[in-house]
Amino acid sequence: GQQLNQSPQSMFIQEGEDVSMNCTSSSIFNTWLWYKQDPGEGPVLLIALYKAGELTSNGRLTAQFGITRKDSFLNISASIPSDVGIYFCAGLNYGGSQGNLIFGKGTKLSVKP
Amino acid sequence: EAQVTQNPRYLITVTGKKLTVTCSQNMNHEYMSWYRQDPGLGLRQIYYSMNVEVTDKGDVPEGYKVSRKEKRNFPLILESPSPNQTSLYFCASSPHRSAGYTFGSGTRLTVV
Repeated sequence: GQQLNQSPQSMFIQEGEDVSMNCTSSSIFNTWLWYKQDPGEGPVLLIALYKAGELTSNGRLTAQFGITRKDSFLNISASIPSDVGIYFCAGLNYGGSQGNLIFGKGTKLSVKP
Repeated sequence: EAQVTQNPRYLITVTGKKLTVTCSQNMNHEYMSWYRQDPGLGLRQIYYSMNVEVTDKGDVPEGYKVSRKEKRNFPLILESPSPNQTSLYFCASSPHRSAGYTFGSGTRLTVV
């Protein structure tokens, strides 16, 4: 089946640093999504991208939908301790009536105060 | 409050004993889906539903059943649970096929 390669697997950074993570795929997606998961909770949607080349921000978060439609990245600026968690990219294909959302394996972010 | 509600949050059961995990959403969403999350494997889709009485298999459907008799509910049924179904399960819903899913808080299932 389709797979997303998300990197890095984990990051350990100092508070105030910027963070960058990305996802690549061999398949084209119609939509790219970025989620954050806190311990013991379900993933929460951070940013949704619907067009190739689209650049979208949500506070200190910025994400882009790659021109080839096969990749996306997420940047977090000036990280703070509450940014700790696992970040997932997800690609969505909706040909026909399907709504099949494929997830990357996640990037675990640790922030040192 | 708009949400996806799963029950129970935690469940320990024995091999072969049928169980149902309930899922309900109050957002009138058409799409609903079940995922399981395992260390190193990420989130994998079990089943999804595009509307009432319309369901389809995801990537890992073996050993699971679902039903969608009402728009708001999408229960996950394990007819004969096995230890390899020990996992963290998430239900999610979406208003339409091109939108992101809203996830429930998860059900941690242990099969012994």
